[in-house]
Amino acid sequence: KNQVEQSPQSLIILEGKNCTLQCNYTVSPFSNLRWYKQDTGRGPVSLTIMTFSENTKSNGRYTATLDADTKQSSLHITASQLSDSASYICVVSARGGSGYALNFGKGTSLLVTP
Amino acid sequence: DSGVTQTPKHLITATGQRVTLRCSPRSGDLSVYWYQQSLDQGLQFLIQYYNGEERAKGNILERFSAQQFPDLHSELNLSSLELGDSALYFCASSVGGLGVRSTEAFFGQGTRLTVV
Repeated sequence: KNQVEQSPQSLIILEGKNCTLQCNYTVSPFSNLRWYKQDTGRGPVSLTIMTFSENTKSNGRYTATLDADTKQSSLHITASQLSDSASYICVVSARGGSGYALNFGKGTSLLVTP
Repeated sequence: DSGVTQTPKHLITATGQRVTLRCSPRSGDLSVYWYQQSLDQGLQFLIQYYNGEERAKGNILERFSAQQFPDLHSELNLSSLELGDSALYFCASSVGGLGVRSTEAFFGQGTRLTVV
């Protein structure tokens, strides 16, 4: 069972509109949560990273929130642009042990249309 | 450009064959991670190396193996290839373990493997 669940699976919005992507996780013990943007056929690029004590982190038009109590995160995109069309992947890292394997969600595919 | 280099970009091979994928991490990064991304799947963690030593293993098949060399580049070896092994294989690198707050992971552009 995937320990990181993202919703919606796909989303289509008009250019200029806002949207929010969701990420729920069961990974434990929690270390940090990252949001990546992955353009088709390319490697993921980090947008934000948050640790346990951080509730909000912004990167331009991208704002991520984290509720470590409910184990939920969201990525809000403001004033969307055509270039925002991509897959957005939530990644949760577990603390401890000799390795820090990342737990990936399957991503939300976002399409921004004119 | 993330600074992580993967070669080749594309690879087409027949079932039963063996291939080697190569990854050069960013300068100064000690950790290398390998991921598999199939068409309808998210990124699946395969294996991590840190400064030449295996650090963590994910869902890596026994037919697959990897190593990290003294110059920190890494190779992923895939043998007895099956049709289902067709996927994008990504390499990522970071300075250290990914549990560290300030550590960032940078991904290469991937190698697209097609098994026919």
